Amino acid sequence: DAKTTQPTSMDCAEGRAANLPCNHSTISGNEYVYWYRQIHSQGPQYIIHGLKNNETNEMASLIITEDRKSSTLILPHATLRDTAVYYCIVGGYGGATNKLIFGTGTLLAVQP
Amino acid sequence: DAGVTQSPTHLIKTRGQHVTLRCSPISGHKSVSWYQQVLGQGPQFIFQYYEKEERGRGNFPDRFSARQFPNYSSELNVNALLLGDSALYLCASSFVLRTGGNEQFFGPGTRLTVL
Repeated sequence: DAKTTQPTSMDCAEGRAANLPCNHSTISGNEYVYWYRQIHSQGPQYIIHGLKNNETNEMASLIITEDRKSSTLILPHATLRDTAVYYCIVGGYGGATNKLIFGTGTLLAVQP
Repeated sequence: DAGVTQSPTHLIKTRGQHVTLRCSPISGHKSVSWYQQVLGQGPQFIFQYYEKEERGRGNFPDRFSARQFPNYSSELNVNALLLGDSALYLCASSFVLRTGGNEQFFGPGTRLTVL
C-alpha cells in the first residue's frame, strides 16, 4: 500500500478556503486517493475520493496532479465545524479487501 | 436512515479479561471492517468481513478475533486484555467490495479502557 505524507497541522481563517496538501509519490496506477476527516472523539467521515481526474462534491474539491504523485483537498469556505484531523489515504483498488491505511493526518484548526 | 451503530459506547475492563464489541452496519451493507485507534494515532486496520467471510486481517495478535452474522452485523472479540489494548475501536461498513472507490461509513466507536 502506498504511503502518504501530510503536514502535521494547518490553520485557516473562517470563511476562507482551506487547502490541504498530500504527497503520495509511490501511488500505483490503480490506486485511488481518499480523504476522510475525524472530528474529535467521533468516527472518521468520508469526504471525497478520486483516481485521475479532479473531483468535486458538496463538501470539498479534490485536485490530483497529472503525475498523481500529490493531491490537494480544498474546503472552499471553511467553518469552525471543519476543525478536524484530515486523513489522505491511497489504496482500495479492489481485490479481496478495501482496507484503509491511515497515517497521522493533518490537524486543521479553523480560526474565528 | 440509521448509520453504523456500535455497542457499548464505553467499556472498562481489567487486564486478562475478555471483551466483545458489537457493530451493526448500515442497512444493505455487506462488508464490515474493524479498526483500532490509540490516542494520538490514526486508526489501524484489524479485520474485514464480507458476506460472513474474513477478507482481510491486519497485524494484530491471535487474541483478536471477529465474526460476521447472517444479518451482516459483526462482533470483535479480544481475549487476555493488555493495558495496550486501551483504544477507540471503530467499525466501518460499505456496500460491496468492488474495484476501487469504496466509500466506508464509520460508527462512533467503542472506547475501551483496560486497567
